[in-house]
Amino acid sequence: GEDVEQSLFLSVREGDSSVINCTYTDSSSTYLYWYKQEPGAGLQLLTYIFSNMDMKQDQRLTVLLNKKDKHLSLRIADTQTGDSAIYFCAENNQAGTALIFGKGTTLSVSS
Amino acid sequence: NAGVMQNPRHLVRRRGQEARLRCSPMKGHSHVYWYRQLPEEGLKFMVYLQKENIIDESGMPKERFSAEFPKEGPSILRIQQVVRGDSAAYFCASSQRDSYGGPNEQFFGPGTRLTVL
Repeated sequence: GEDVEQSLFLSVREGDSSVINCTYTDSSSTYLYWYKQEPGAGLQLLTYIFSNMDMKQDQRLTVLLNKKDKHLSLRIADTQTGDSAIYFCAENNQAGTALIFGKGTTLSVSS
Repeated sequence: NAGVMQNPRHLVRRRGQEARLRCSPMKGHSHVYWYRQLPEEGLKFMVYLQKENIIDESGMPKERFSAEFPKEGPSILRIQQVVRGDSAAYFCASSQRDSYGGPNEQFFGPGTRLTVL
């Protein structure tokens, strides 16, 4: 079945780069997504990548996709304290009717 | 353009009572999704609806849970005879189109945090 795995915690210093990793199981996923959740809030779509792409860059965010290994990563350059949040990786379910989320990676940024 | 609205933001119920959670999608969106987030867990899909139709309810518990998205008004997630295990954050998302041929860009509401005493 579909499953998405993420490491649970990441701690970085302000100004450093953060790399959040994710593995997924469904090789037929056409899109993969990164969402951000701040405390007490809903999820905010950060970016997504089409499965035939290796990389997508959007300002401080870089998404890398290794389709062979089913590995997705999100790199945040020049990490700021405002980036502290939970980051979720997600893929479409096989029916295309919903998103399958990982458990989330809590990013803690210290100044 | 208002985002996805959910109310109430916090709901407290005693065991055996009913909980009704409401979701108003973004303007122009006709697809609504409900997810449940247990403490320290990711979001789990519950149900996907379009106006007046349930498209996929494969994530809904078989008993006590129901959802609707009427022609007029918000989508409702209804939990009858709540138990302590129903305590969670319930998120609604909406999208303009389904994922067939394109990304399923879902926009999330702030969630309803249900506490069952």
